[in-house]
Amino acid sequence: GENVEQHPSTLSVQEGDSAVIKCTYSDSASNYFPWYKQELGKGPQLIIDIRSNVGEKKDQRIAVTLNKTAKHFSLHITETQPEDSAVYFCAAFYNTDKLIFGTGTRLQVFP
Amino acid sequence: ETGVTQSPTHLIKTRGQQVTLRCSSQSGHNTVSWYQQALGQGPQFIFQYYREEENGRGNFPPRFSGLQFPNYSSELNVNALELDDSALYLCASSQDQANEKLFFGSGTQLSVL
Repeated sequence: GENVEQHPSTLSVQEGDSAVIKCTYSDSASNYFPWYKQELGKGPQLIIDIRSNVGEKKDQRIAVTLNKTAKHFSLHITETQPEDSAVYFCAAFYNTDKLIFGTGTRLQVFP
Repeated sequence: ETGVTQSPTHLIKTRGQQVTLRCSSQSGHNTVSWYQQALGQGPQFIFQYYREEENGRGNFPPRFSGLQFPNYSSELNVNALELDDSALYLCASSQDQANEKLFFGSGTQLSVL
């Protein structure tokens, strides 16, 4: 079935530390995996994405890794800052028409 | 700023009523998708519109319906509102049907009393 599991549900880190969020998807046909950041009162904002023909992608302090064999993908944020505090969602693209989202991770970065 | 705009931002309805939510897609985008986000949950796919036709549908009953107009804007209609319909309704646009990169609006917060 169509399912994306996300862990942890909450994550608290000290400013400057790294944060890692992990997701697992169920459909081996999925080939596109975006990550969204959602701040209070706003819609999800695309922050990075990866396709299945790539194992890792980096954009400044954010990186995503994909293990297609294990159907795992992860978001890594280095040198965290208070403005990184938000809810983060992973997602997998299914059947050419829809994103299936994980349940979200609330990240809190303490100064 | 994604360029996807939704209206209204907030709405309060009573059970049994009907509601229409509106979305303008980002410039250059011809595909619109609607998602429902319950409190504390991830967004759930309702349906997608491409070239004014429904192009895919999630696990939502027929009382959830939509339209897409020639200018690619879209409406989500919900009939016979139920208490469980209370949620944030998100519209997302993409460059075309085959483009998975979705850009979301800020949503309409619907409360059903």
